Amino acid sequence: DAGVIQSPRHEVTEMGQEVTLRCKPISGHNSLFWYRQTMMRGLELLIYFNNNVPIDDSGMPEDRFSAKMPNASFSTLKIQPSEPRDSAVYFCASSLSGYGDLIGELFFGEGSRLTVL
Amino acid sequence: GQNIDQPTEMTATEGAIVQINCTYQTSGFNGLFWYQQHAGEAPTFLSYNVLDGLEEKGRFSSFLSRSKGYSYLLLKELQMKDSASYLCAVRDLVTGGGNKLTFGTGTQLKVEL
Repeated sequence: DAGVIQSPRHEVTEMGQEVTLRCKPISGHNSLFWYRQTMMRGLELLIYFNNNVPIDDSGMPEDRFSAKMPNASFSTLKIQPSEPRDSAVYFCASSLSGYGDLIGELFFGEGSRLTVL
Repeated sequence: GQNIDQPTEMTATEGAIVQINCTYQTSGFNGLFWYQQHAGEAPTFLSYNVLDGLEEKGRFSSFLSRSKGYSYLLLKELQMKDSASYLCAVRDLVTGGGNKLTFGTGTQLKVEL
């Protein structure tokens, strides 16, 4: 199993530019999560999908952030326009949930480190 | 909403035992997770509790008391490689399905010789 795959691993951009982060969840998983991690705020849940449907986006900071999951094997997180305070590591995670005695733990990708100058 | 508290930092000696505590408040508890995160890496799953009591997995054990909103992670026979951040996370029952997992800010454990 390849695990959760994220791209790019590192991105450096200038304020005002559009940033798109990509995620491929583990095949067969039905839930997908986007988290942001900073030293100050820890790991914050931005949005999560269940069966490709957004369930809770209350963690999305503002309208500059948007996320899509067009199919079960791909999701994007877009920031437009980007600002220096968006600098963080963005993690995508997936899980299999809703089946009997499955624990439903999250499996994380390696993260995308974003720096906005 | 949720409120998850855990100590920011702990230091322990190689070979010793350390207990990392976590307290939480949530409206629809559906399980508590512990994750380990080494610097520059992704969090990895350690343990899961949904019923009261102790779950043991090798050198790591996790305890849960739902009535007290309390959990701890116990690490025995500490090794230098256990130096990492340990994240407590609570899962909520959610309308619409899926797992909503909210993380604490993590406890940075330093293991010294």
